[in-house]
This record gives sequence, structure tokens and C-alpha cells, in this order.
Amino acid sequence: EVQLLESGGGLVQPGGSLRLSCAASGFSLRDYAMAWVRQAPGKGLEWVSAISGSGNTPYYGDSVKGRFVVSRDNSKNTLHLQLNSLRTEDTAIYFCARTASSSWYFSSWGQGTQVTVSS
Amino acid sequence: SYVLTQPPSVSVAPGQTATLTCGGNDIESKHVHWYHQKPGQAPVLVIYDDNGRPSGIPERFYGSNSGNTATLTISRVEAGDEADYFCQVWDSSSDHWVFGGGTKLTVL
Repeated sequence: EVQLLESGGGLVQPGGSLRLSCAASGFSLRDYAMAWVRQAPGKGLEWVSAISGSGNTPYYGDSVKGRFVVSRDNSKNTLHLQLNSLRTEDTAIYFCARTASSSWYFSSWGQGTQVTVSS
Repeated sequence: SYVLTQPPSVSVAPGQTATLTCGGNDIESKHVHWYHQKPGQAPVLVIYDDNGRPSGIPERFYGSNSGNTATLTISRVEAGDEADYFCQVWDSSSDHWVFGGGTKLTVL
């Protein structure tokens, strides 16, 4: 069974940093592109970042490019997202998601981790 | 960047058919995927590649894509179908995944 478990969320001041992790089980991370999707309170889904199965190609949404860094540790089957220069508008639940092997949709999701940026 | 447009809300009586739309420029040239999300839960894939159904999704859920509009049709709507529904595409011109704003489906 595919499982994704996010961790690392919390309360941080504007300008601060956090590192999110997503522990995967039931499959090998290296075989899939992985992504982060966030949802601000009462809002819709926003794709944040993704990384190819090989880990060689990162992708970023326009609102986070230059501030967030995605990475993966295939030996630990774990995905990471480093959040830097955080803004109040980054407050959201951050979901980890696995893409399909044959198309660009998200076949499995974690339950999310809350990030709150506030002074 | 590519934009997907969904109506904010759709209401339907139990047993009737719900039609949820997702508009985008020449969207028929893209593969459209749909998710539903209930309060406090993670999104769940309900349609992939325009009209594919993941295992466990009832045949009542049907997807189509033509011109500038993709459509998710839910027949014989049940109370348990009440949720937010999001469409999504991959925009190859920007290497971005794009979500629509979401439609709240209310079962009257």
C-alpha cells in the first residue's frame, strides 16, 4: 500500500525557514516524480514544486521560485522541501503527492502538514 | 501561464446528474484530471487522462474533454458526493502543474 507521511510543519516568523519531509512507503521513490501541493485556509489547491524520479530536474511554481528548494533522498525514500524567506501568504497545508508513472497527475497524496507564517 | 476556470459552486438534488466544468484555452489538447476533496481530508483522484477512472471510483463518475471545456459528470448523485472538485492539467509550455480554482458540489 502506498503511503506518504509529511512532517516538519509548524509556526515560523516571516523571513524564517522550515524544512518539510515526506516519508514514502509501499513504493520506491526513485521510480516516480514527486510533488508538493499546498492549500491556503479556505482556498483551492496550488502546485508548489516537483522533482523528477532521478532527482535531476526540479520544478517550481512562480510564487515560490528562488525561495523554496525541493530535494529527495532515494536511499531513505524521503522527499524534502526547504522553505526559505517565508511570507505570511505561504501559510497553508502542504501536501506531498506522487505522480503517475505514465502521466502528469497525482495518484497518491499524503495527509498534509500545516505551515503557519506569522509574527 | 495557463489558466483553468471552474464555477465556484454547483448544487444538485440527490439522484440527479451533476455537471462540473473546467475551462481552458484549447484544453482538449491537454489531458485533464479531476480530484475531489472533503473537509479536512487530502484530495482524491477521481478521473485521470480526461476519462480514466481509478480503481474504486464508481462508474457514475464520467469525464470528457472537448474544445475549451472539460467536464466531469456525476450521475445519480449521492449525499456522499458532496465535496470540492478540482480539475488539473500539465502545462508543457511552462513545465507547471495547474489546478482550477475548484467547484463546491452541494447535494440538496
